Amino acid sequence: GAVVSQHPSRVICKSGTSVKIECRSLDFQATTMFWYRQFPKKSLMLMATSNEGSKATYEQGVEKDKFLINHASLTLSTLTVTSAHPEDSSFYICSASSQGFFNYGYTFGSGTRLTVV
Amino acid sequence: KQEVTQIPAALSVPEGENLVLNCSFTDSAIYNLQWFRQDPGKGLTSLLLIQSSQREQTSGRLNASLDKSSGRSTLYIAASQPGDSATYLCAVGTDSWGKLQFGAGTQVVVTP
Repeated sequence: GAVVSQHPSRVICKSGTSVKIECRSLDFQATTMFWYRQFPKKSLMLMATSNEGSKATYEQGVEKDKFLINHASLTLSTLTVTSAHPEDSSFYICSASSQGFFNYGYTFGSGTRLTVV
Repeated sequence: KQEVTQIPAALSVPEGENLVLNCSFTDSAIYNLQWFRQDPGKGLTSLLLIQSSQREQTSGRLNASLDKSSGRSTLYIAASQPGDSATYLCAVGTDSWGKLQFGAGTQVVVTP
């Protein structure tokens, strides 16, 4: 089945530094990748949608200069949290779809727990 | 704006009992509805995907129904097992690009 690998699973960084999270589709070409954020005991909130070779589309209220998304190839998307602050601490999850009409459902990564100290 | 609600927020049942998890959404114009399982600190595992034209999907002990007109979906898990303990998330596909709107989830505990 379709597999999405997300790395790292956990990261602790100092306030003011930047952190990069990778999301890779291992056995299929992901034309579209999504980045979500999840707060404790809360639902997943879509942050942005990225299509290979084009700029990401951000949801309302998400700072695109803080959360940089790159989708340079059909198998890799990255999320960079720039100048991280403690309020950016959260669980970040990516998902990938092989076609825009996701008729086959989504495959999600295992998530990244970011802690900013 | 689409809103997805899951009731109850938490559920505890003894092993062997059937589980019934509810999901409601405010806008019936959906592309599909998907049920996921999430274990603590982990990513999401897709359980069932129901297209907007379908009424239900089944996989093993799991059955999910969809009633678009009333804005409801129900996930049934038969003969629950301790390994079914997890948080179950309902998500509605809101556009052709694959955007998902999630509910807050139902945390399930199955006691031996």
